[in-house]
Amino acid sequence: AQSVTQLGSHVSVSEGALVLLRCNYSSSVPPYLFWYVQYPNQGLQLLLKYTTGATLVKGINGFEAEFKKSETSFHLTKPSAHMSDAAEYFCAVRPILTGGGNKLTFGTGTQLKVEL
Amino acid sequence: DTGVSQNPRHKITKRGQNVTFRCDPISEHNRLYWYRQTLGQGPEFLTYFQNEAQLEKSRLLSDRFSAERPKGSFSTLEIQRTEQGDSAMYLCASSFGTEVNTGELFFGEGSRLTVL
Repeated sequence: AQSVTQLGSHVSVSEGALVLLRCNYSSSVPPYLFWYVQYPNQGLQLLLKYTTGATLVKGINGFEAEFKKSETSFHLTKPSAHMSDAAEYFCAVRPILTGGGNKLTFGTGTQLKVEL
Repeated sequence: DTGVSQNPRHKITKRGQNVTFRCDPISEHNRLYWYRQTLGQGPEFLTYFQNEAQLEKSRLLSDRFSAERPKGSFSTLEIQRTEQGDSAMYLCASSFGTEVNTGELFFGEGSRLTVL
C-alpha cells in the first residue's frame, strides 16, 4: 500500500521567508504526487501535481515542488511567504496503475503559519 | 458550473439519529468520491463511484454508512445510528476519469457533522 509522510505538523515562517514543506512517499514504484491546500472551513484546492516529465513542477500562487526519486520526496517550496499562504497543506499520492479510479491517499497535513 | 456542491454545510445531531449528506459534482464528471476528515488528520477515502456504480468501499465505511449515486449525477451519504466517533468533515470530490487520467480531484467545501 502507498503512503505519504509529512514531516512537521506545524511550520511557522516570517513573511517574505522561504517556505519548505516536506513530503516523503512510500511506494514500490513512483506514483503520481499532489499537493493540496485547505483554507479554514473550505475544501481542498489543488496546488500542483507531478505525473511524468519534468521533475520540477510549478503550481499556483508561486508554489513549486520537486520530485526526487532517489529520496522518495516531493517537497513543496515557495521563495517568499505571504500572509495569505497561511493554511493547511496536504501531500497526496495516487498509484500510476490502479483499479481504484483516481483515489488519492493523503498525508496528515502541515499547518503553515506566516508571521509578520 | 460552480464546482462541487455539498449540503448541508453543517449538521449537529444527537447520538443515534440518522443523517444524510448530499453532493452535487461538476456536471461532466463521471467519478465521485467521499472522504472523511477528522481534526488534525488528512482526508481518508471512504468510497467512490464511476457513474452510478459504486466501485470501491473502504473498510472505514461500516455497515451504518451507505452511499448512493442513483442516476450517476448527485450522490448521498447516509449515516445511520450516529455515534460520537462519526463527528468529522465529510468531503466530496469529483473527477473525469479515464484509463489514463492522472486524477485531478475537485473537492467541495465539505459537510461538517457534530454528534452530541
